[in-house]
Amino acid sequence: DTEVTQTPKHLVMGMTNKKSLKCEQHMGHRAMYWYKQKAKKPPELMFVYSYEKLSINESVPSRFSPECPNSSLLNLHLHALQPEDSALYLCASSQSWTYTEAFFGQGTRLTVV
Amino acid sequence: EDQVTQSPEALRLQEGESSSLNCSYTVSGLRGLFWYRQDPGKGPEFLFTLYSAGEEKEKERLKATLTKKESFLHITAPKPEDSATYLCAVFYNQGGKLIFGQGTELSVKP
Repeated sequence: DTEVTQTPKHLVMGMTNKKSLKCEQHMGHRAMYWYKQKAKKPPELMFVYSYEKLSINESVPSRFSPECPNSSLLNLHLHALQPEDSALYLCASSQSWTYTEAFFGQGTRLTVV
Repeated sequence: EDQVTQSPEALRLQEGESSSLNCSYTVSGLRGLFWYRQDPGKGPEFLFTLYSAGEEKEKERLKATLTKKESFLHITAPKPEDSATYLCAVFYNQGGKLIFGQGTELSVKP
């Protein structure tokens, strides 16, 4: 089983709202990732967690706040977003942080109005 | 500069017409190259991992190969259901960062 589950599948939020995206995997993977993908573009790395610790933050604005409560869960807290933040947000996991394939969830389609 | 370039950007094939997609990379210390398939509005689906030059992997109508400077994804006798965007990505010396190419949008017509 190589399943990464993301909820919700779709989210519409206003610029003053606070919402959270959730991601879960039960493959025993110790690295988890958040990516952002705009239409017709490749995924862009936002954050990497390794063994539940934030290892990489790709200079993402503070209105995006990641959290890794345990080895199976990854959250992305959203606050005061801008319309240009509308995108497909992808969660991924891999066995380790180094050189192993990453498996992606189906994504959350976020629209900021 | 570390870079991954895919070509062509778009490819239209007739069903049964075999072809190849290219992924060239200029990174220092390649540690792994990955191929993914992505359908519209969905997350990328993992296809292959290649670690060293000369390595080949096959799955149904797809075959991935790796040299020191590029990788090819060969599609033999494609079917309409193979239509998707194919992404390649590399891990290089700095672990944890997948650099994605821009993708090749493949359309297979019956």
